[in-house]
Amino acid sequence: EAGVAQSPRYKIIEKRQSVAFWCNPISGHATLYWYQQILGQGPKLLIQFQNNGVVDDSQLPKDRFSAERLKGVDSTLKIQPAKLEDSAVYLCASSVGTGGYEKLFFGSGTQLSVL
Amino acid sequence: QQQVKQSPQSLIVQKGGISIINCAYENTAFDYFPWYQQFPGKGPALLIAIRPDVSEKKEGRFTISFNKSAKQFSLHIMDSQPGDSATYFCAADFPLTGTASKLTFGTGTRLQVTL
Repeated sequence: EAGVAQSPRYKIIEKRQSVAFWCNPISGHATLYWYQQILGQGPKLLIQFQNNGVVDDSQLPKDRFSAERLKGVDSTLKIQPAKLEDSAVYLCASSVGTGGYEKLFFGSGTQLSVL
Repeated sequence: QQQVKQSPQSLIVQKGGISIINCAYENTAFDYFPWYQQFPGKGPALLIAIRPDVSEKKEGRFTISFNKSAKQFSLHIMDSQPGDSATYFCAADFPLTGTASKLTFGTGTRLQVTL
């Protein structure tokens, strides 16, 4: 079975620029997650979608971050404008459902460097 | 209150030894406790998980011990191998409204198994 696909793999931008990340979850998975993983820390949930509806976005900095999941499949995460502290790996994950005990399948992430 | 505290930050174990990683939580609403393993350049992958009505779960060389009264759980890796060298994250699942839930990760433990 194909895994979670993310692109680009790496991105280097200057502060105040904008950037977008793309994620294609495992086919048939209803729930899609975006996590931010800062070097040396655990992944932090930014936003969770069930199909194309938002389940939780309480930790998404909404003044600069936005995410959408069109047609309940692919998703994009955008940062505009980027700050130095946004340097991190952005992980996309998907799961079959959205309830408890779900197994999350992660992509390899997009490593963002903001200079 | 949705934090999960993990220790140690790093761990060096000789081949064949036992690796032990500990996690603690405060919120008794957490109802599922998975461990994820992450290799460099990859996303985390589910290793083993436990529900709070069970005190121990074993899968091969990996065992979770769960102490509900102390609000602590730990991962034991028996007969540690160099291939186990990775970063390990404990996590806890917090129920949201309806059937949804939210996974919170610990800060990670970098394990190195030496020959």
